[in-house]
Amino acid sequence: QTVVTQEPSFSVSPGGTVTFTCGLSSGSVSTSYYPSWYQQTPGQAPRTLIYSTNTRSSGVPDRFSGSILGNKAALAITGVQADDESEYYCVLYMGSGIWVFGGGTKLTVL
Amino acid sequence: EVQLVESGGGLVQPGRSLRLSCTTSGFTFGDYAMSWFRQAPGKGLEWVSFIRSKAYGGTTEYAASVKGRFTISRDVSKSIAYLQMNSLKTEDTAVYYCSRTLGWPPYYFDYWGPGTLVTVSS
Repeated sequence: QTVVTQEPSFSVSPGGTVTFTCGLSSGSVSTSYYPSWYQQTPGQAPRTLIYSTNTRSSGVPDRFSGSILGNKAALAITGVQADDESEYYCVLYMGSGIWVFGGGTKLTVL
Repeated sequence: EVQLVESGGGLVQPGRSLRLSCTTSGFTFGDYAMSWFRQAPGKGLEWVSFIRSKAYGGTTEYAASVKGRFTISRDVSKSIAYLQMNSLKTEDTAVYYCSRTLGWPPYYFDYWGPGTLVTVSS
């Protein structure tokens, strides 16, 4: 059973920078997993932020960036704004038409 | 403008069936794969099922939690994707979302519907 790991929560002040990570319970995340990131506010559908590790989806500001950090995928948000307060999910493509979501990271903007 | 709208959710008793629809517009439906997801109350997102475009065989995949009970299908003439859910359990209670899916590299979900609530309860 593959488990995708994310930090449960983060807090950041407005204007600050935060980096979330996305790992595997066994092994390293690489670009071959095509990591993607999604933002979700309560009661709303997910919004696509990043795909293929570091490509921003249309309309996503460049404050959001994706990368591989060590053995994990990462999502960084710079110049955090109040409306960035959301749940953030990473998803890894496992091959053969199978995807696995991480448990999500809840971002609180203080 | 790409649009997806789920429908068919509601209250259903354990062991019964329900069929969800994902009605799409604004793109050539047959050219894309489609996926279903769910989110149980207060929980995270879970990928449920995937159907490839005809160009990639139109084949299907399922999460272990629903394999053998759920069936994904598509009607290209109507631009609708379906999720047939049989032998429903209380743990299937969730908001169900559909998405347009890039079933080839870079393998991601680019447009989402607003979701439909399925409640399995006696």
